[in-house]
Amino acid sequence: NAGVTQTPKFQVLKTGQSMTLQCAQDMNHNSMYWYRQDPGMGLRLIYYSASEGTTDKGEVPNGYNVSRLNKREFSLRLESAAPSQTSVYFCASSPGHSQETQYFGPGTRLLVL
Amino acid sequence: GNSVTQMEGPVTLSEEAFLTINCTYTATGYPSLFWYVQYPGEGLQLLLKATKADDKGSNKGFEATYRKETTSFHLEKGSVQVSDSAVYFCALSDQAAGNKLTFGGGTRVLVKP
Repeated sequence: NAGVTQTPKFQVLKTGQSMTLQCAQDMNHNSMYWYRQDPGMGLRLIYYSASEGTTDKGEVPNGYNVSRLNKREFSLRLESAAPSQTSVYFCASSPGHSQETQYFGPGTRLLVL
Repeated sequence: GNSVTQMEGPVTLSEEAFLTINCTYTATGYPSLFWYVQYPGEGLQLLLKATKADDKGSNKGFEATYRKETTSFHLEKGSVQVSDSAVYFCALSDQAAGNKLTFGGGTRVLVKP
């Protein structure tokens, strides 16, 4: 099993450009998450999807949109990138039961100039 | 709301030294508690967890005990190795908050030979 995969690994954007970060999991998990990691701030939840067909805002959703394409895939879109969105983005998944472990992808490092 | 506070790093140790990373939490419900580890260039992976008061989580020589009376979940290892160099994140999952993970800011640990 590949677990949670993310593409691309690294991306440079100019302010105002758009892009989509892709995430897929092969563990048949119901729930999927997008986080951003910034120095000294831990991970902050951007959006999550408790199950296929549902999405909800997390702690820092502004400037982002998501799509739960199917049970396996959960994409994050930046419509108009800003330098404040320079970060490392992690996708995670979990089975969907209460208080269970989340499994993380390797991350996408994004630089917005 | 929920929050997790952990000691700031970096923590620099010599091989075979004793490691403690403090973690305290605030939660509205009855959370599960986690320690995740992030090795250089990788995503987060679960190190250990505890789901109720007085539970002890353990893995790879690391231990942490869920202390409800002090709202703490301190991570300890008796003899660290160079391979333990990583960033360690304390986190909680609260059913009252939809089982979303709340992370602390992370503690970087550097073990020198």
